Amino acid sequence: DTAVSQTPKYLVTQMGNDKSIKCEQNLGHDTMYWYKQDSKKFLKIMFSYNNKELIINETVPNRFSPKSPDKAHLNLHINSLELGDSAVYFCASSQGHSTSPLHFGNGTRLTVT
Amino acid sequence: GIQVEQSPPDLILQEGANSTLRCNFSDSVNNLQWFHQNPWGQLINLFYIPSGTKQNGRLSATTVATERYSLLYISSSQTTDSGVYFCAVGGGGTSYGKLTFGQGTILTVHP
Repeated sequence: DTAVSQTPKYLVTQMGNDKSIKCEQNLGHDTMYWYKQDSKKFLKIMFSYNNKELIINETVPNRFSPKSPDKAHLNLHINSLELGDSAVYFCASSQGHSTSPLHFGNGTRLTVT
Repeated sequence: GIQVEQSPPDLILQEGANSTLRCNFSDSVNNLQWFHQNPWGQLINLFYIPSGTKQNGRLSATTVATERYSLLYISSSQTTDSGVYFCAVGGGGTSYGKLTFGQGTILTVHP
């Protein structure tokens, strides 16, 4: 059983398109996150939701819009994709904000051409 | 924000060797975790260790929060230990679980 699953695994698209990445966790956690890993492997938080409420919104362009329909799901929609958006996007979850381990999905490799 | 520095940046070992990876951080933290990113890109949580010492098989970790560092020990390394090891830290207050990652240590274990 996959604990944190995200789809698709790979996403290749052209500049200007809109795309979505979906994430689901079956760990019963109440907090979910989106992290971005760039080409140099640097990981940076983008968003965090606790019980469907947005609690962290880093300096991310407003072309990125997260949505959490329930505490087990956190999706990421990206409008007007740019070359610089190419990266690996990881979904993650934890129980509570900072008192338990973070569990990552397997990542979505986004390539914008 | 909190600064996180990992050393060494690269480490090459022969199978069976032991190693120590270090993570220094610039401020007090209430959350420190170690992750392994394997060659397939999966991020695996190794330890949640804001203080103290933990062991899991051949791996162990120690965090000395008052001196702002953490160490990850790998004993009898295997080729499957290869990958990137990340330390990530979070502070208290309004950090709301935000983790700041170090730049990682790339470990290569040769057979």
